[in-house]
Order: sequence, then C-alpha cells, then structure tokens
Amino acid sequence: GENVEQHPSTLSVQEGDSAVIKCTYSDSASNYFPWYKQELGKRPQLIIDIRSNVGEKKDQRIAVTLNKTAKHFSLHITETQPEDSAVYFCAAPYSSASKIIFGSGTRLSIRP
Amino acid sequence: NAGVMQNPRHLVRRRGQEARLRCSPMKGHSHVYWYRQLPEEGLKFMVYLQKENIIDESGMPKERFSAEFPKEGPSILRIQQVVRGDSAAYFCASSRESTGATFSGNTIYFGEGSWLTVV
Repeated sequence: GENVEQHPSTLSVQEGDSAVIKCTYSDSASNYFPWYKQELGKRPQLIIDIRSNVGEKKDQRIAVTLNKTAKHFSLHITETQPEDSAVYFCAAPYSSASKIIFGSGTRLSIRP
Repeated sequence: NAGVMQNPRHLVRRRGQEARLRCSPMKGHSHVYWYRQLPEEGLKFMVYLQKENIIDESGMPKERFSAEFPKEGPSILRIQQVVRGDSAAYFCASSRESTGATFSGNTIYFGEGSWLTVV
C-alpha cells in the first residue's frame, strides 16, 4: 500500500555535528523525493529534492542521497546550527495519480 | 509572484457548524492538494484536484468533507457539521500541471495554512 516510513521520529544532536534522517517508500515507480522543513506554527517549506536519475544532490550543508534499489532516501545536514531545529518531512509520489505522500516527520533539536 | 494563498488563517466554529477553507494556487499552477495536520502530527493527504476535476480523494473522510476547484476562483475545502476532532491545521499546496506519460513528481508549494478550532 501507499506508505512512506521515516526514522527517527526525534533526533537530538550537538551543535556542529551532523544529522541524518532516513525514509523508505513503497511505490517502485516513484521518481521524485522532496524534503520539507516545518518550524512551529509555520508552513512546510521545501529545502531540497532529488529525482531518480541521480543518486545524490547537495546544497551547502544539506544533502540528499537516493537508493532506488532499496527504495530509500536520506537527508544529511552537516555542521548543524540552532536554526536547523525544526520538524523535517520526507515525501514521495504514489500511484499514477501523483499524489504526494509524506513521512511522519522527524523532530530535530540542536543542542548548544 | 504571490505564493499559495489560504484564507482564513484562523477559523473558530461551534460544533455542528460548517467550515469553508479557501486556497488560491500559485500563478501558473493548476493542481491543488489539501493536507490535514493534527497537533504534533504529520501531514495527512486528503485530496488532489485540478480545475473542475477531483483526481484523488482517497484521503478524505466519506462524510461531511468535500472539496472543489472550480474553473474560476479558489479551491474550497468544505467541512459540514464540524466536530471537535476536526480541529487541525489544513494546508493547501499547489503544483504545475503534470506532463508526460509517467508522473515525474512536480514540486508542491504550501500555503500558510488555515487553523480550524471547533469549540
């Protein structure tokens, strides 16, 4: 069935360390994988996305990797800063109708 | 270039009343999505529409909830006879029209959300 699983649900890292969030998806036809950041009381905002024709994409301190064989993709944040504290959601399209299904979210806290 | 516009931002309704939430997509976007987010929870897909057509409403409760995206005007999510459990943030998102035989996953952009409180 349609499902995007996300782990961990909460993550606390020391400022300056790296954070990794992982997601798996069920629809092997999915070929677009966005990541959103949501701060408290705000809308989800796209931070990075990857399409299936590449295995990795990087944008400054943020990178996403994709393993289509295993059907999982990961978000990597390096040199974490206090402003990285937020809830992060992965997503993937499901079925030919292209609806976007979201993971359950990861609450990331950066310890000073 | 305005983003996705939602109104009202906050809405308070008494049990049994109706709630209408509106969403205008970004300029050039013809596809609209509605998601519900309960406090401290994730984004639950409700419905996916394009102009005058519901593409997928598999996430929407069969009763009391309906959505439309008319040829002119905003998309509307309508909740009839609201109950306390309907209290949530309702986010609308929009994307460009999909092209090609296989879906390529168009980027979706969210509005600021409408916070519904049922008292």
